[in-house]
Amino acid sequence: DQQVKQNSPSLSVQEGRISILNCDYTNSMFDYFLWYKKYPAEGPTFLISISSIKDKNEDGRFTVFLNKSAKHLSLHIVPSQPGDSAVYFCAASDPYAGNNRKLIWGLGTSLAVNP
Amino acid sequence: DGGITQSPKYLFRKEGQNVTLSCEQNLNHDAMYWYRQDPGQGLRLIYYSQIVNDFQKGDIAEGYSVSREKKESFPLTVTSAQKNPTAFYLCASSGRAYEQYFGPGTRLTVT
Repeated sequence: DQQVKQNSPSLSVQEGRISILNCDYTNSMFDYFLWYKKYPAEGPTFLISISSIKDKNEDGRFTVFLNKSAKHLSLHIVPSQPGDSAVYFCAASDPYAGNNRKLIWGLGTSLAVNP
Repeated sequence: DGGITQSPKYLFRKEGQNVTLSCEQNLNHDAMYWYRQDPGQGLRLIYYSQIVNDFQKGDIAEGYSVSREKKESFPLTVTSAQKNPTAFYLCASSGRAYEQYFGPGTRLTVT
């Protein structure tokens, strides 16, 4: 059973517009959330994270919003660029899982930014 | 340069042979991980290790084995018992923070 869900397998956005990638989770004990970006045949690269005690974290064009009551987080990319085209993974940390360094991963959303 | 290296990038083996994938890190991280990615799928955890000489099974450990004799190294052996070994294998490490840092991956093809 997926504890971290990325319900949109793909997303297409025009260059310069906002990209919004969504992630839902089921376990209210998750205390830290991360977003990764992955190009084909490469390892994922860490993008941005947020602690459960915050509701927003911003880093340049990337902003992550956390709504704990809805168990939902989103990644906003503004403005979107063609180089942002990749698969984006949402991941969460469960501090009560016996090893808080083990991350629970979503299945990813493939973002295509069209010129 | 600090980072994680995986070698080789592409690996081909015949069915029935064991094969070992290399993962080395010079980030001084305590924890290391092995994941597998199949087309259209997310990352599935095979094994992880928090410290030297200790490791735990992940979600799909059957048919795989690991060792952690040195902090820098966490090799993964894909045994002949693994029924579907063809996949993209990713190694990662993490320090005190939650973030995991990944290597470039190894594409294993077994025919």
